[in-house]
Amino acid sequence: GAVVSQHPSWVICKSGTSVKIECRSLDFQATTMFWYRQFPKQSLMLMATSNEGSKATYEQGVEKDKFLINHASLTLSTLTVTSAHPEDSSFYICSAIMYNYGYTFGSGTRLTVV
Amino acid sequence: AQSVTQLDSHVSVSEGTPVLLRCNYSSSYSPSLFWYVQHPNKGLQLLLKYTSAATLVKGINGFEAEFKKSETSFHLTKPSAHMSDAAEYFCVVSHGLAGGTSYGKLTFGQGTILTVHP
Repeated sequence: GAVVSQHPSWVICKSGTSVKIECRSLDFQATTMFWYRQFPKQSLMLMATSNEGSKATYEQGVEKDKFLINHASLTLSTLTVTSAHPEDSSFYICSAIMYNYGYTFGSGTRLTVV
Repeated sequence: AQSVTQLDSHVSVSEGTPVLLRCNYSSSYSPSLFWYVQHPNKGLQLLLKYTSAATLVKGINGFEAEFKKSETSFHLTKPSAHMSDAAEYFCVVSHGLAGGTSYGKLTFGQGTILTVHP
């Protein structure tokens, strides 16, 4: 079945540094992937839609220069949090669509910026 | 526009008793509806989905949900709760086409935390 692998599962970084999160579709090709952010005790908020070979589409209020998304292949999308600050600390989850299966989610990445 | 409202932020039940997690949706089109479960610091696992086929949908782990268009509801139920059911549950709506050939953006409800007491 459709499996999405997300790494790392948790990361701690210093303010001002950048962090890259990877999302891989293991047994299918994903032309579209989604990136979500989840604050503590809150629901998931869509940040952006990542399309293979083209620029990501960001939701209103999401800084595209801060949250860089690259979807260079049909099995890999990356989210880079640039110049991270403590307010960027959150749980980030990716999702991919598999034809006739639907949405499948990664296991999430807990980012803590200190 | 589409939206989802989960009517209870917390539900607490005793092991072996029924579970009811309530969800109401709003959608301008024929929606696809999903229930996902999330354990702490984990990703989301699909419990079940409705995509315009049978209105009573059976999912994994004994969960089921009924799509009621007249009430714009998609409540999640389970006859007998198990300790392992304790988690957070999300009701989700999407503008997917019938047959699952196309998928739109997902809109998540606020989540319901289910606690199961021994």
